[in-house]
Amino acid sequence: GQQLNQSPQSMFIQEGEDVSMNCTSSSIFNTWLWYKQDPGEGPVLLIALYKAGELTSNGRLTAQFGITRKDSFLNISASIPSDVGIYFCAGAKTSGTYKYIFGTGTRLKVLA
Amino acid sequence: GAVVSQHPSWVICKSGTSVKIECRSLDFQATTMFWYRQFPKQSLMLMATSNEGSKATYEQGVEKDKFLINHASLTLSTLTVTSAHPEDSSFYICSANGSPAWLFGPGTRLTVL
Repeated sequence: GQQLNQSPQSMFIQEGEDVSMNCTSSSIFNTWLWYKQDPGEGPVLLIALYKAGELTSNGRLTAQFGITRKDSFLNISASIPSDVGIYFCAGAKTSGTYKYIFGTGTRLKVLA
Repeated sequence: GAVVSQHPSWVICKSGTSVKIECRSLDFQATTMFWYRQFPKQSLMLMATSNEGSKATYEQGVEKDKFLINHASLTLSTLTVTSAHPEDSSFYICSANGSPAWLFGPGTRLTVL
């Protein structure tokens, strides 16, 4: 199945550091979502983006909908140990039903 | 608030048996639900789109006769894995539009012995 390219694949950072990850697509999307998944659980929505260029924050998290509509970025500021997990982007094209395609995921580990 | 639930959260079955997984939307109605499958350390792969009152739409490579989907009401979709085999062991996750964004269920871990 189709997947979006997400980078980095994994990262180890020190507590307090900022984190950046991105998601790219070869085609245009009209909606970008960012999710976090903890082991053995379903994804939990972090941020939703609906407009090109949109910059949205949720606490220490900030995400942007790329101008080209082919990419999105997620930043986490001042990371804490509970930020550990897998972060997924998901993009959707407006085609009647919002069929979301997921990114490959970024596995984040925070060292205390 | 709007929540997507799944039942069971985990199931172990013998090879050759069938397993039914339920996905329910709580506090909202969902005309469309999606079923995903996730293998260890991999991303979610869309299996099929479940439409209330009509046939499901399957992604390329997903066997519709093996993964039966029934979306009989606006709050319930079921996925039945028929004649399950060990390679079907995976984490199955459903999602529904909880407006303004899609919500995901907690997942069902299927282990086929």
